[in-house]
Amino acid sequence: KQEVTQIPAALSVPEGENLVLNCSFTDSAIYNLQWFRQDPGKGLTSLLLIQSSQREQTSGRLNASLDKSSGRSTLYIAASQPGDSATYLCAVRPIEYGNKLVFGAGTILRVKS
Amino acid sequence: GAVVSQHPSRVICKSGTSVKIECRSLDFQATTMFWYRQFPKKSLMLMATSNEGSKATYEQGVEKDKFLINHASLTLSTLTVTSAHPEDSSFYICSARYGGLGNNEQFFGPGTRLTVL
Repeated sequence: KQEVTQIPAALSVPEGENLVLNCSFTDSAIYNLQWFRQDPGKGLTSLLLIQSSQREQTSGRLNASLDKSSGRSTLYIAASQPGDSATYLCAVRPIEYGNKLVFGAGTILRVKS
Repeated sequence: GAVVSQHPSRVICKSGTSVKIECRSLDFQATTMFWYRQFPKKSLMLMATSNEGSKATYEQGVEKDKFLINHASLTLSTLTVTSAHPEDSSFYICSARYGGLGNNEQFFGPGTRLTVL
């Protein structure tokens, strides 16, 4: 059974810091991995999607990497801003499950001004 | 592109009543829609998967008669919480994807906050 773990569960940093969020998954047989942002009481905003054949994806200040063989992904946020404060969710799409996504519990990020 | 909407965004109802939540794909045809439930400070739990024109596939532990899902068209799926009780209070999120099996992305709606009194 695929399980997704995110570390740390919560993180508080001062504005301007670079930071890394970690995601690990137990089964490397995946179609892709996706990072989402969720603001309190809101839905999910997709940040980056990495296909299984890719190693990383970048969008602005965000960079996500994927090491499928070791079952790990990282989300790097450069020069963090208070507006980055949110919960960040990692999800994998296991080949075994077809179209389903399996989510981690998320990392709650707070960027202090 | 790839926008998914949900209606209503918030609903408060009395115990024992039924509540219907709509999920629409606004600019694409969704062959598959998913319904998730999220408890406070927890991650998303998949409830069911629905394909247009066929019965929904429910995850283990999800009551089919309690959570009725209809995917009548390629742009609309509905979740009806029947005879709602306070323990059904939660944040419900839908997502939609197009195409068959493959690397197609899921697009998520903004969620519906259900409070049962």
